[in-house]
Amino acid sequence: GAVVSQHPSRVICKSGTSVKIECRSLDFQATTMFWYRQFPKQSLMLMATSNEGSKATYEQGVEKDKFLINHASLTLSTLTVTSAHPEDSSFYICSARDTLYTDTQYFGPGTRLTVL
Amino acid sequence: AQKITQTQPGMFVQEKEAVTLDCTYDTSDQSYGLFWYKQPSSGEMIFLIYQGSYDEQNATEGRYSLNFQKARKSANLVISASQLGDSAMYFCAMREDYKAAGNKLTFGGGTRVLVKP
Repeated sequence: GAVVSQHPSRVICKSGTSVKIECRSLDFQATTMFWYRQFPKQSLMLMATSNEGSKATYEQGVEKDKFLINHASLTLSTLTVTSAHPEDSSFYICSARDTLYTDTQYFGPGTRLTVL
Repeated sequence: AQKITQTQPGMFVQEKEAVTLDCTYDTSDQSYGLFWYKQPSSGEMIFLIYQGSYDEQNATEGRYSLNFQKARKSANLVISASQLGDSAMYFCAMREDYKAAGNKLTFGGGTRVLVKP
């Protein structure tokens, strides 16, 4: 149990385009999901907390207009990188909080974004 | 100040031996949780073990055990009988009072473990 999927696993896009990344909790409901960014050989940096049915809470320094988050259901959150630039290239990981049984965050497999 | 500190950027361990990964934390909360995750080269974050601040016993999960020393604010991970598949990056993380912090996790910088045959 406690499986979180992410789609796509890899994406290459041109500068200026927008990219949507999906995060799904497959076997549990998640009222809260989290989006992280990870640069090579570095730790995870929390970008925002995604709350089902309400606005996301962004960490300091993260542009909310650039990284749009939508948490439309208890099993799906999406992150859209708008007008992507090469500096947005990174590994994006989502996690979903299992509040019912373990109150643990389970992570998706990540999405590697490359902006040309 | 760093909330989670992992002082070992990398370490080698011989197959079948035990290895201890250090983690110290800083919080003023009474209620918090400590987690360890494994990140292999594929990138996925795999949950290993959890210790609650009020748990009196050290957490154990198979070959993983957490040496929780509350007064010293340390939560070291011990991997017994290392296997080649244990080669990965290991992250220590803390969740502070969820009512205030919203269940956010703060991660340490990670320790890369390489198991030698």
